[in-house]
Amino acid sequence: QKEVEQNSGPLSVPEGAIASLNCTYSDRGSQSFFWYRQYSGKSPELIMFIYSNGDKEDGRFTAQLNKASQYVSLLIRDSQPSDSATYLCAVYNNNDMRFGAGTRLTVKP
Amino acid sequence: DTEVTQTPKHLVMGMTNKKSLKCEQHMGHRAMYWYKQKAKKPPELMFVYSYEKLSINESVPSRFSPECPNSSLLNLHLHALQPEDSALYLCASSQDRTSGAGGADTQYFGPGTRLTVL
Repeated sequence: QKEVEQNSGPLSVPEGAIASLNCTYSDRGSQSFFWYRQYSGKSPELIMFIYSNGDKEDGRFTAQLNKASQYVSLLIRDSQPSDSATYLCAVYNNNDMRFGAGTRLTVKP
Repeated sequence: DTEVTQTPKHLVMGMTNKKSLKCEQHMGHRAMYWYKQKAKKPPELMFVYSYEKLSINESVPSRFSPECPNSSLLNLHLHALQPEDSALYLCASSQDRTSGAGGADTQYFGPGTRLTVL
């Protein structure tokens, strides 16, 4: 079974703090990794994708990938109340996209 | 432009009704997907079309019937649904289904259709 695991949370951080979201995956052959944000009742919105080991930064968001540890994370700097949502980790390998259950993030003003 | 559109936004239907969900993208993507999402759960893949051909059917009941009339359109025909089929139905598209660097397998989601089966 190809698994993608996330801490369901809820994760609560104060406004302006760094939020750290983690994801592990079991399929060592996985090639592409994605983070989606989903507000309640809305569809998933792509935040970032990452393919290579290391860090990838886009504005306040940094994705980190460690294929040896089968671990991918998302850091959100200067968290805002508008970042409060469920964050879905998705892992792709040869025509098969698997989603984690999502981590619910709450940013408190 | 990374827009995927879906209609209708909301749909209420009885168990004997026949209805269709529609999805459209004009990004030149050649892969399109149907997902089902229940509350507080991740999206579950139902069907995948690649170059207008059905390539994955994740053991979905026959009361769900997908159709891909052309590379921009994807339909999901519904017939004799059950109340447990009530969910958010999401359409997504990607450039193609090849994994690897470049983002070709990045999936972009439409806003979804909220389906309620009475």
